[in-house]
Amino acid sequence: NAGVTQTPKFRVLKTGQSMTLLCAQDMNHEYMYWYRQDPGMGLRLIHYSVGEGTTAKGEVPDGYNVSRLKKQNFLLGLESAAPSQTSVYFCASSYSKPGTGGFSYEQYFGPGTRLTVT
Amino acid sequence: AQKITQTQPGMFVQEKEAVTLDCTYDTSDQSYGLFWYKQPSSGEMIFLIYQGSYDEQNATEGRYSLNFQKARKSANLVISASQLGDSAMYFCAMTMVAGRRALTFGSGTRLQVQP
Repeated sequence: NAGVTQTPKFRVLKTGQSMTLLCAQDMNHEYMYWYRQDPGMGLRLIHYSVGEGTTAKGEVPDGYNVSRLKKQNFLLGLESAAPSQTSVYFCASSYSKPGTGGFSYEQYFGPGTRLTVT
Repeated sequence: AQKITQTQPGMFVQEKEAVTLDCTYDTSDQSYGLFWYKQPSSGEMIFLIYQGSYDEQNATEGRYSLNFQKARKSANLVISASQLGDSAMYFCAMTMVAGRRALTFGSGTRLQVQP
């Protein structure tokens, strides 16, 4: 199993350019997420999906769009990149499993994409 | 809404000693999960340990244990017998059992293990 993969690993964009980040998971997970990590901060949720064909906004969705046409893929798009979107982007997927006293929701993270917008 | 607070931006520990990284959380939900992740300088997020809000015993995973005090809303990570490879950023996070199940992260603690 490859787990969660992200492409590309690095990218430099000019202000106003567009791009799509691809996240793929081979674990048949229902839930998928996009987070961003800025220097000195924890990860913040951009968008998420609870299943194929569904997406929803997280805490910092402005300037991003997402699509989940296939269960294994979750795409993050930047239509018009801005310097404020310079960040490290992490994709994650999760499932639920019975655990002692409840359910555990471990999230599996991809390696991250480092994006710089100049 | 939930919130995670990590009040220690940086910590030092001597190799082979134990260290506690603090984490407090705020939520009005009764069903939630608490996590700790390690992020080494290479950047990947590594899952360390999980504690469910209804788990009566503190979670342990090898040298990691989670000191869960529900009434105080704290979920401190204890690393025993620190190793040089433990030097990294450590993030506390939480999720709700219901709904989107996304993680809310704290700002992290940078741990440096000294020989």
